Amino acid sequence: TQLLEQSPQFLSIQEGENLTVYCNSSSVFSSLQWYRQEPGEGPVLLVTVVTGGEVKKLKRLTFQFGDARKDSSLHITAAQPGDTGLYLCAGDNAGNMLTFGGGTRLMVKP
Amino acid sequence: EAGVAQSPRYKIIEKRQSVAFWCNPISGHATLYWYQQILGQGPKLLIQFQNNGVVDDSQLPKDRFSAERLKGVDSTLKIQPAKLEDSAVYLCASSLNPGGPEQYFGPGTRLTVT
Repeated sequence: TQLLEQSPQFLSIQEGENLTVYCNSSSVFSSLQWYRQEPGEGPVLLVTVVTGGEVKKLKRLTFQFGDARKDSSLHITAAQPGDTGLYLCAGDNAGNMLTFGGGTRLMVKP
Repeated sequence: EAGVAQSPRYKIIEKRQSVAFWCNPISGHATLYWYQQILGQGPKLLIQFQNNGVVDDSQLPKDRFSAERLKGVDSTLKIQPAKLEDSAVYLCASSLNPGGPEQYFGPGTRLTVT
């Protein structure tokens, strides 16, 4: 069974701070996705990373896929209250079936 | 483009009762997924359909859960009889296969079993 562990589980910071959340596995994935989920809604896809070592930027969010395609990180610069939510990573095993991590719940206080 | 639609949004039932959830995927998406998300956890895949065929249902508790996608478009997930531990959000997602693994989620149905 492929498992994805996310850390930290909870993070509460002040507006303007930077943060990094991690997604780790002992398994290799063909691609990895990051989603954000807000209360009462389904997860919304933020990015897909495919190549080992790949870095993608989405405004203030920077996503990195580990060289061995087993881990990933999400860095947010100058966090804003609108960034509050549950951040989920999900690995694809090339069968288009996703394994989700447990998520990092982020709260950004104004 | 319309997103994934789910209904109902909320459902409260007593244990041992039955319940059904409905999902209409994004038009043209051949692959449909049902996930269970227990509070504080990430989504867990229950079943994956490709058109009207089941690709994977290895994590579906088949003694009480069933799902169908008869015409390859919308789908229903049923629980009969419900247990307290079935309380969760049931998410439906669809993807354009073989366009890629990206999945698009509906808003979910929050089920409370009392």
